[in-house]
Parts: sequence; C-alpha cells; structure tokens
Amino acid sequence: QKEVEQDPGPLSVPEGAIVSLNCTYSNSAFQYFMWYRQYSRKGPELLMYTYSSGNKEDGRFTAQVDKSSKYISLFIRDSQPSDSATYLCAMSAANFGNEKLTFGTGTRLTSIP
Amino acid sequence: EPEVTQTPSHQVTQMGQEVILRCVPISNHLYFYWYRQILGQKVEFLVSFYNNEISEKSEIFDDQFSVERPDGSNFTLKIRSTKLEDSAMYFCASRGQAPGNTIYFGEGSWLTVV
Repeated sequence: QKEVEQDPGPLSVPEGAIVSLNCTYSNSAFQYFMWYRQYSRKGPELLMYTYSSGNKEDGRFTAQVDKSSKYISLFIRDSQPSDSATYLCAMSAANFGNEKLTFGTGTRLTSIP
Repeated sequence: EPEVTQTPSHQVTQMGQEVILRCVPISNHLYFYWYRQILGQKVEFLVSFYNNEISEKSEIFDDQFSVERPDGSNFTLKIRSTKLEDSAMYFCASRGQAPGNTIYFGEGSWLTVV
C-alpha cells in the first residue's frame, strides 16, 4: 500500500462548481497536512496547511482532515478557470524543522468557463 | 512576498557531466531542502539540510549527489556525473524555525540529461 494515495484525475468541472479533492494515507505518524497547487512546469504553491482533525477555511478553499479515517480533502467553491492546475496533497510526520514531506501524485483539475 | 529563487530555470547537459543547481532560500529560513519531480510523476524528497549539515536524505540521494551552503545565502545541489534518469525538475525549498511553519518551494530547475 502506498503511503499517500491520490486520484490523479483528470477532473473537469464547469466554472462555478464545487470541487472535492481527496487523499488517503496509511502512515499513522503523519500529523501535518498540506495542499499545494502546481501550475504546469512551476513549483508547488502552498494553499492550505492543517494539523488537527476538522475543517479549515480560507476564502474559497476548505481543508478537511479526518485522522481516524486517514483521509484528507480539499474543497474549492465557485471554481474559476484560474483554478485549473494540479493539486498536490502533502503530509509530514513532524514539524520540528527537518521533516520531509510525502506527496500524493496530484490531481489535475480543469475548470471550464 | 519573500520567495525561494532558483537558477538556472532550465539546463541541458550531456550524460556524465557535472551539474550544479543553485537556490537562494527565503532569508530568515533555517531549514533547506531539495525535491525532484520526474515528468508525470510525484514530487519526491531528496535531502534536508540544517545547521550546515544533512539532516536526512532519501535513497535517491546517493554518492553522486551533494549539497552545500557555500555562503549565507546560497544553497546548491551538485550532481557529480549525470545519468539520463536524473532528468527531472529539481525544486529547492526552505522553512522557517517557528513551530507551525511550513515549506515553501522555488519555481524549479528543469534538468535535461542527453
């Protein structure tokens, strides 16, 4: 079983739709969870960062963590064409400086005008 | 907004040649990383660096790879003798010291080995 699993998509949605992106993980040591957005041939850009189980909202983005199920989600409301990108979930086991991030494969999203 | 900067943005090199990829991390950050992403694959951890030494490295980071912080601002990744399979996007990243800080990535250096 892979440490982090993410549906690669691709996912096409009409502009204005609600998008749900998900990752599952197997390593119980993961405590910190991130969502990055990556445009083609660019570096990952941090969108959301969460620690505890529950929801965290930032504008049109909501990150959800369920540690008991080892499942994290990112919701995008009112999707825009500019949201078209690959979304990467990432997680780490510690946050004391030199911890490494383990990434999912990424979900490619297209928001169609 | 502060950012991690990387040079070159793209480099083509012949197999067996040495390559140095350069990075300027965010100025007050203390933890530095290299990740790579082979085309169409996931982002993979290579190495983390703190207090002028390697903290952790992956199995990808073999003897052909080395990192260095030659001065107070630059952080470099050297590949001693490149192989075709080293072709990838290499991302430098950095992190601040405060708890709760997360890792910020540069735009990447695209390395093509021919």
